[in-house]
Amino acid sequence: DIQMTQSPSTLSASVGDRITITCRASQNIYNWLAWYQQKPGRTPKLLIYRASNLESGVPSRFSGSGYGTQFTLTISNLEPDDFATYYCQNYNTHFGGGTKVDIK
Amino acid sequence: QVQLQQSGPGLVKPSETLSLTCTVSGASVNNGTFYWGWIRQPAGKGLEWVGYIYFTGSTNYNPSLKSRVTVSSDTSKNQFSLELTSVTAADTAMYYCVGLTARATLDYWGQGTLVTVSS
Repeated sequence: DIQMTQSPSTLSASVGDRITITCRASQNIYNWLAWYQQKPGRTPKLLIYRASNLESGVPSRFSGSGYGTQFTLTISNLEPDDFATYYCQNYNTHFGGGTKVDIK
Repeated sequence: QVQLQQSGPGLVKPSETLSLTCTVSGASVNNGTFYWGWIRQPAGKGLEWVGYIYFTGSTNYNPSLKSRVTVSSDTSKNQFSLELTSVTAADTAMYYCVGLTARATLDYWGQGTLVTVSS
């Protein structure tokens, strides 16, 4: 069973910052990785699929990279709307533990 | 546009069976475009995969729940369902039905059902 490990679990940042969230898979998942953003009381929103593909309508300040077992989500020029919790998910719907991005 | 509408009780007694149904519109549960499944999220915690079903009838369950969970589909009603037996307080969570696409992304979500396990 593939385990997904996200880090950090919490990240404090300011508007305008560039932040990076890491997701590690316990075995090779090639590029079968997606990233989601979730706000309180809402369902998760897809940001990135196949590790680096930006979902339609998602701002270009979001980007993803990685292959195999190591993946990153980068948000450049953080905006107020970006303070939320982020999850990675592999092809078999296993999720990382989440990263809460809050205001420093 | 694919839409998922959940139904089922929000309160289940300990040791009983949790049953939820998801009605699909805009797509058929009987074709190979999607996997249909369930995700849950305890209050203040992360997302946990429960299980999913493919149109062939094949299923895939979270190993930690496998002995208690069944995901099934009813093509005549264009629905799929979740049954979780012998529930405890640890099963209290928001449950979401989802549609998983060929991109391996959860593109479609139900509105969520908060299920509380309590006597």
